[in-house]
Amino acid sequence: KQEVTQIPAALSVPEGENLVLNCSFTDSAIYNLQWFRQDPGKGLTSLLLIQSSQREQTSGRLNASLDKSSGRSTLYIAASQPGDSATYLCAVVGDQGGSEKLVFGKGTKLTVNP
Amino acid sequence: DAGVIQSPRHEVTEMGQEVTLRCKPISGHNSLFWYRQTMMRGLELLIYFNNNVPIDDSGMPEDRFSAKMPNASFSTLKIQPSEPRDSAVYFCASSLYSGTNTGELFFGEGSRLTVL
Repeated sequence: KQEVTQIPAALSVPEGENLVLNCSFTDSAIYNLQWFRQDPGKGLTSLLLIQSSQREQTSGRLNASLDKSSGRSTLYIAASQPGDSATYLCAVVGDQGGSEKLVFGKGTKLTVNP
Repeated sequence: DAGVIQSPRHEVTEMGQEVTLRCKPISGHNSLFWYRQTMMRGLELLIYFNNNVPIDDSGMPEDRFSAKMPNASFSTLKIQPSEPRDSAVYFCASSLYSGTNTGELFFGEGSRLTVL
């Protein structure tokens, strides 16, 4: 059974700092991995999707990397801003002949202090 | 596109009452997912549909929970009878299934359910 772990559960940084959020998964047979952002009381917003054949994806100040063989992904946020404060979740889709189940981690709650 | 639309946004009910949550997926998407989120357990997949057909409902906690998707633009999640432990935020999400696997997932704002 796939398990997704995100460490740390919470992170507080000063504005302007570059930071890395970690995600690990137990079964390397994945189809893709997605990073989401969730603001309090809101739904999840997709940030980046990495296919299993890819090593990284970039969007603005965000860069997500994927090392499938070691079961790890990182989300790099450059020059963090208070508006980046949110919970960040990663989720993987298993490569199981059409399975569409995303398995989510419990998220990292990020606070960027002005 | 308006995105995934869920209603109601908030629901407070008493134990034993029937609760119906509604979802309108993004037009053109052919996969729909119902998730439940709690502090203790995080996000849990309850059920998902592909082309209006339920594919996997193994996440549905009990027979009190049921979900339907009568057409491509509407789905319901029903709890009958509701219990306090059902209190959670219920999310609907949709995606375009490509024939090999799911694409990017888009979530609604969620329905916050409180059962007293």
